Amino acid sequence: AQKITQTQPGMFVQEKEAVTLDCTYDTSDQSYGLFWYKQPSSGEMIFLIYQGSYDEQNATEGRYSLNFQKARKSANLVISASQLGDSAMYFCAMRESYSSASKIIFGSGTRLSIRP
Amino acid sequence: DGGITQSPKYLFRKEGQNVTLSCEQNLNHDAMYWYRQDPGQGLRLIYYSQIVNDFQKGDIAEGYSVSREKKESFPLTVTSAQKNPTAFYLCASRGTDTGELFFGEGSRLTVL
Repeated sequence: AQKITQTQPGMFVQEKEAVTLDCTYDTSDQSYGLFWYKQPSSGEMIFLIYQGSYDEQNATEGRYSLNFQKARKSANLVISASQLGDSAMYFCAMRESYSSASKIIFGSGTRLSIRP
Repeated sequence: DGGITQSPKYLFRKEGQNVTLSCEQNLNHDAMYWYRQDPGQGLRLIYYSQIVNDFQKGDIAEGYSVSREKKESFPLTVTSAQKNPTAFYLCASRGTDTGELFFGEGSRLTVL
Protein backbone atom coordinates (compact mmCIF):
# COMPACT_ATOMS: atom_id res chain seq x y z
CA ALA A 1 0.00 0.00 0.00
CA GLN A 2 1.03 3.57 -0.64
CA LYS A 3 2.51 5.25 2.44
CA ILE A 4 4.54 8.32 3.38
CA THR A 5 6.46 8.55 6.66
CA GLN A 6 7.92 11.68 8.21
CA THR A 7 9.63 10.77 11.48
CA GLN A 8 10.51 14.26 12.74
CA PRO A 9 7.46 15.91 14.36
CA GLY A 10 9.45 19.07 15.10
CA MET A 11 12.86 20.58 14.50
CA PHE A 12 14.70 23.67 15.72
CA VAL A 13 17.46 25.13 13.56
CA GLN A 14 19.64 28.19 13.89
CA GLU A 15 19.17 30.83 11.21
CA LYS A 16 21.54 30.47 8.24
CA GLU A 17 22.19 26.80 8.93
CA ALA A 18 21.19 24.06 6.51
CA VAL A 19 18.43 21.66 7.52
CA THR A 20 17.35 18.24 6.27
CA LEU A 21 13.76 17.07 6.64
CA ASP A 22 13.31 13.33 6.35
CA CYS A 23 10.77 11.51 4.22
CA THR A 24 10.47 7.83 3.40
CA TYR A 25 7.83 6.29 1.20
CA ASP A 26 6.44 2.93 0.26
CA THR A 27 4.93 2.02 -3.07
CA SER A 28 4.79 -0.96 -5.38
CA ASP A 29 4.68 1.24 -8.47
CA GLN A 30 7.72 1.88 -10.63
CA SER A 31 6.37 5.24 -11.78
CA TYR A 32 5.59 7.80 -9.10
CA GLY A 33 6.17 11.40 -8.16
CA LEU A 34 7.36 12.93 -4.90
CA PHE A 35 6.57 16.44 -3.70
CA TRP A 36 7.32 18.77 -0.83
CA TYR A 37 4.93 21.45 0.38
CA LYS A 38 5.27 24.20 2.96
CA GLN A 39 2.37 25.28 5.16
CA PRO A 40 2.87 28.53 7.12
CA SER A 41 0.66 29.32 10.09
CA SER A 42 -1.80 31.00 7.69
CA GLY A 43 -2.76 27.54 6.44
CA GLU A 44 -1.98 27.97 2.74
CA MET A 45 -0.14 25.16 1.00
CA ILE A 46 2.94 26.19 -0.98
CA PHE A 47 4.51 23.83 -3.50
CA LEU A 48 8.30 23.66 -3.11
CA ILE A 49 9.82 20.92 -5.24
CA TYR A 50 9.07 17.82 -7.31
CA GLN A 51 11.01 14.62 -8.08
CA GLY A 52 9.91 12.00 -10.58
CA SER A 53 10.84 8.40 -9.95
CA TYR A 54 12.69 8.21 -13.26
CA ASP A 55 14.60 11.45 -12.79
CA GLU A 56 18.28 10.66 -12.45
CA GLN A 57 19.27 14.04 -11.07
CA ASN A 58 18.16 15.31 -7.69
CA ALA A 59 15.68 18.16 -8.05
CA THR A 60 16.70 21.66 -7.00
CA GLU A 61 14.68 24.87 -6.70
CA GLY A 62 16.62 27.81 -5.31
CA ARG A 63 17.49 27.04 -1.67
CA TYR A 64 15.55 23.77 -1.81
CA SER A 65 16.94 20.46 -2.99
CA LEU A 66 15.56 16.98 -2.82
CA ASN A 67 17.93 14.20 -1.82
CA PHE A 68 16.37 11.29 -3.70
CA GLN A 69 17.63 7.82 -2.80
CA LYS A 70 15.45 5.43 -4.75
CA ALA A 71 16.84 2.19 -3.35
CA ARG A 72 16.23 3.41 0.19
CA LYS A 73 12.86 4.89 -0.79
CA SER A 74 13.75 8.21 0.74
CA ALA A 75 13.15 11.74 -0.51
CA ASN A 76 14.62 14.15 2.02
CA LEU A 77 14.23 17.90 1.63
CA VAL A 78 17.33 20.01 2.16
CA ILE A 79 16.97 23.72 2.85
CA SER A 80 20.22 25.62 2.58
CA ALA A 81 20.91 28.82 4.52
CA SER A 82 17.67 28.76 6.50
CA GLN A 83 15.74 31.98 7.06
CA LEU A 84 13.23 33.04 9.70
CA GLY A 85 10.51 32.85 7.05
CA ASP A 86 11.19 29.14 6.65
CA SER A 87 9.44 28.47 9.97
CA ALA A 88 6.41 26.40 8.98
CA MET A 89 5.01 22.88 8.64
CA TYR A 90 6.56 20.85 5.84
CA PHE A 91 4.82 17.95 4.15
CA CYS A 92 6.14 15.24 1.90
CA ALA A 93 3.65 13.84 -0.61
CA MET A 94 3.56 11.10 -3.22
CA ARG A 95 1.56 10.51 -6.38
CA GLU A 96 1.50 6.84 -7.23
CA SER A 97 1.83 6.12 -10.94
CA TYR A 98 1.37 8.64 -13.67
CA SER A 99 -2.14 7.53 -14.43
CA SER A 100 -4.77 10.18 -14.66
CA ALA A 101 -6.74 8.90 -11.67
CA SER A 102 -3.86 8.68 -9.24
CA LYS A 103 -4.12 9.26 -5.53
CA ILE A 104 -1.86 11.80 -3.89
CA ILE A 105 -1.14 11.19 -0.23
CA PHE A 106 0.73 13.18 2.39
CA GLY A 107 2.94 12.45 5.36
CA SER A 108 2.19 13.68 8.87
CA GLY A 109 4.52 16.65 8.51
CA THR A 110 7.49 18.24 10.28
CA ARG A 111 7.20 21.53 12.10
CA LEU A 112 10.36 23.53 11.44
CA SER A 113 11.26 26.43 13.71
CA ILE A 114 14.14 28.74 12.81
CA ARG A 115 15.92 30.45 15.70
CA PRO A 116 17.39 33.95 15.13
CA ASP B 1 -6.37 35.49 -11.69
CA GLY B 2 -6.32 31.73 -12.04
CA GLY B 3 -6.67 29.65 -8.95
CA ILE B 4 -8.79 27.64 -6.57
CA THR B 5 -11.58 29.31 -4.62
CA GLN B 6 -13.00 27.70 -1.53
CA SER B 7 -15.98 29.01 0.39
CA PRO B 8 -16.88 29.69 3.04
CA LYS B 9 -13.61 30.31 4.82
CA TYR B 10 -15.18 29.72 8.24
CA LEU B 11 -18.32 27.76 8.96
CA PHE B 12 -20.12 26.94 12.17
CA ARG B 13 -22.82 24.30 12.27
CA LYS B 14 -24.84 22.42 14.81
CA GLU B 15 -24.30 18.73 15.30
CA GLY B 16 -26.44 16.61 12.99
CA GLN B 17 -26.62 19.14 10.15
CA ASN B 18 -25.24 18.50 6.69
CA VAL B 19 -22.76 21.07 5.40
CA THR B 20 -21.58 21.70 1.83
CA LEU B 21 -18.18 23.22 1.14
CA SER B 22 -17.64 24.85 -2.23
CA CYS B 23 -14.55 24.45 -4.40
CA GLU B 24 -14.20 26.17 -7.78
CA GLN B 25 -11.19 26.29 -10.08
CA ASN B 26 -10.45 28.23 -13.26
CA LEU B 27 -7.17 26.52 -14.06
CA ASN B 28 -8.79 24.12 -16.55
CA HIS B 29 -7.44 21.17 -14.57
CA ASP B 30 -9.11 17.80 -14.91
CA ALA B 31 -8.25 16.29 -11.52
CA MET B 32 -9.50 17.67 -8.21
CA TYR B 33 -9.01 16.56 -4.61
CA TRP B 34 -10.43 17.07 -1.13
CA TYR B 35 -8.31 16.73 2.01
CA ARG B 36 -9.00 16.98 5.69
CA GLN B 37 -6.45 18.37 8.14
CA ASP B 38 -6.73 18.13 11.92
CA PRO B 39 -4.63 20.41 14.17
CA GLY B 40 -0.93 19.60 13.96
CA GLN B 41 -1.61 16.71 11.60
CA GLY B 42 -1.03 15.89 7.98
CA LEU B 43 -3.52 15.96 5.12
CA ARG B 44 -5.79 12.98 4.69
CA LEU B 45 -7.48 12.28 1.37
CA ILE B 46 -11.28 12.27 1.39
CA TYR B 47 -12.28 12.08 -2.30
CA TYR B 48 -10.71 12.76 -5.66
CA SER B 49 -12.01 13.13 -9.17
CA GLN B 50 -10.34 12.88 -12.55
CA ILE B 51 -13.17 13.86 -14.84
CA VAL B 52 -16.72 15.12 -14.77
CA ASN B 53 -19.22 12.65 -13.30
CA ASP B 54 -16.47 10.42 -11.96
CA PHE B 55 -14.85 10.35 -8.50
CA GLN B 56 -13.11 7.90 -6.19
CA LYS B 57 -13.03 7.45 -2.44
CA GLY B 58 -9.88 8.39 -0.63
CA ASP B 59 -8.69 7.04 2.69
CA ILE B 60 -11.36 8.67 4.89
CA ALA B 61 -14.49 8.93 2.71
CA GLU B 62 -16.99 7.73 5.32
CA GLY B 63 -19.42 10.48 6.27
CA TYR B 64 -18.61 12.60 3.21
CA SER B 65 -20.05 12.90 -0.27
CA VAL B 66 -19.02 14.77 -3.43
CA SER B 67 -20.27 15.55 -6.90
CA ARG B 68 -18.51 16.54 -10.10
CA GLU B 69 -21.14 17.88 -12.47
CA LYS B 70 -18.83 20.52 -13.96
CA LYS B 71 -15.10 20.50 -14.60
CA GLU B 72 -14.68 23.68 -12.59
CA SER B 73 -16.56 22.60 -9.49
CA PHE B 74 -16.06 19.87 -6.88
CA PRO B 75 -18.27 20.49 -3.82
CA LEU B 76 -17.87 18.43 -0.65
CA THR B 77 -20.80 17.62 1.65
CA VAL B 78 -20.02 16.76 5.25
CA THR B 79 -22.96 14.66 6.33
CA SER B 80 -24.38 14.02 9.78
CA ALA B 81 -22.83 10.55 9.56
CA GLN B 82 -19.34 12.05 9.93
CA LYS B 83 -18.57 11.47 13.61
CA ASN B 84 -16.02 14.21 14.12
CA PRO B 85 -16.40 16.80 11.34
CA THR B 86 -14.61 19.72 13.00
CA ALA B 87 -11.47 20.21 10.88
CA PHE B 88 -9.71 22.27 8.23
CA TYR B 89 -10.71 21.22 4.70
CA LEU B 90 -8.48 21.80 1.70
CA CYS B 91 -9.46 21.49 -1.94
CA ALA B 92 -6.89 21.18 -4.72
CA SER B 93 -6.60 20.66 -8.43
CA ARG B 94 -3.73 18.88 -10.12
CA GLY B 95 -1.52 20.42 -12.76
CA THR B 96 -0.71 18.48 -15.89
CA ASP B 97 3.06 19.00 -15.97
CA THR B 98 4.63 17.60 -12.82
CA GLY B 99 1.25 16.88 -11.34
CA GLU B 100 1.69 19.26 -8.43
CA LEU B 101 -1.41 20.22 -6.50
CA PHE B 102 -2.74 23.76 -6.50
CA PHE B 103 -4.60 24.43 -3.26
CA GLY B 104 -7.38 26.70 -2.19
CA GLU B 105 -7.13 28.67 1.04
CA GLY B 106 -9.18 26.12 2.93
CA SER B 107 -12.45 26.02 4.84
CA ARG B 108 -12.46 25.73 8.60
CA LEU B 109 -15.54 23.87 9.82
CA THR B 110 -16.53 23.90 13.48
CA VAL B 111 -19.41 21.76 14.66
CA LEU B 112 -20.95 22.94 17.90
